[in-house]
Amino acid sequence: GEDVEQSLFLSVREGDSSVINCTYTDSSSTYLYWYKQEPGAGLQLLTYIFSNMDMKQDQRLTVLLNKKDKHLSLRIADTQTGDSAIYFCAEKRRGGSYIPTFGRGTSLIVHP
Amino acid sequence: DVKVTQSSRYLVKRTGEKVFLECVQDMDHENMFWYRQDPGLGLRLIYFSYDVKMKEKGDIPEGYSVSREKKERFSLILESASTNQTSMYLCASWNSRDGSYTFGSGTRLTVV
Repeated sequence: GEDVEQSLFLSVREGDSSVINCTYTDSSSTYLYWYKQEPGAGLQLLTYIFSNMDMKQDQRLTVLLNKKDKHLSLRIADTQTGDSAIYFCAEKRRGGSYIPTFGRGTSLIVHP
Repeated sequence: DVKVTQSSRYLVKRTGEKVFLECVQDMDHENMFWYRQDPGLGLRLIYFSYDVKMKEKGDIPEGYSVSREKKERFSLILESASTNQTSMYLCASWNSRDGSYTFGSGTRLTVV
């Protein structure tokens, strides 16, 4: 199976909270990332969390890390139409290759 | 801010043509990467380079080559373009301090 898994689609109403989930398999992951890709553009780093943290908050974004379940989530409060994009989860593992492993991305659709 | 610039946003090439995709970064990063992105498949690593004149194959190198003559520039070459190479191509530069990537805006290549 894939090393990093995400659901492919999420649809929310404007003003609601969005929660995008990600699971990973390698417990030695040191950094976990969320990237955002707007239509026709490259990926932009949104936020990242060290593996020794449980939570990180940055304005409307909250990242939660459950190391026991190898589960990462991104919560977007008060979701706006401008948040419509593809969100990629990625992990970087301790030692070995420094290349992150990306999930396939979750398309967030925000409707009025 | 790190800037990664891809020379073309859109390209249309004919089958059999030799195609060059150029990428330049301005932060003196050693590591640079080329990915292709296709719907439902996420990001797939084609090649990466960890120093000038050094290159490593990624997951899908067939039909591609790369060139890294200068630290700031990493070129992807399609020796003989084929229709199955129609895709979005993303270049990235890697920050060794936090392991995050900075991506270019992407080049959407269509091979007809």
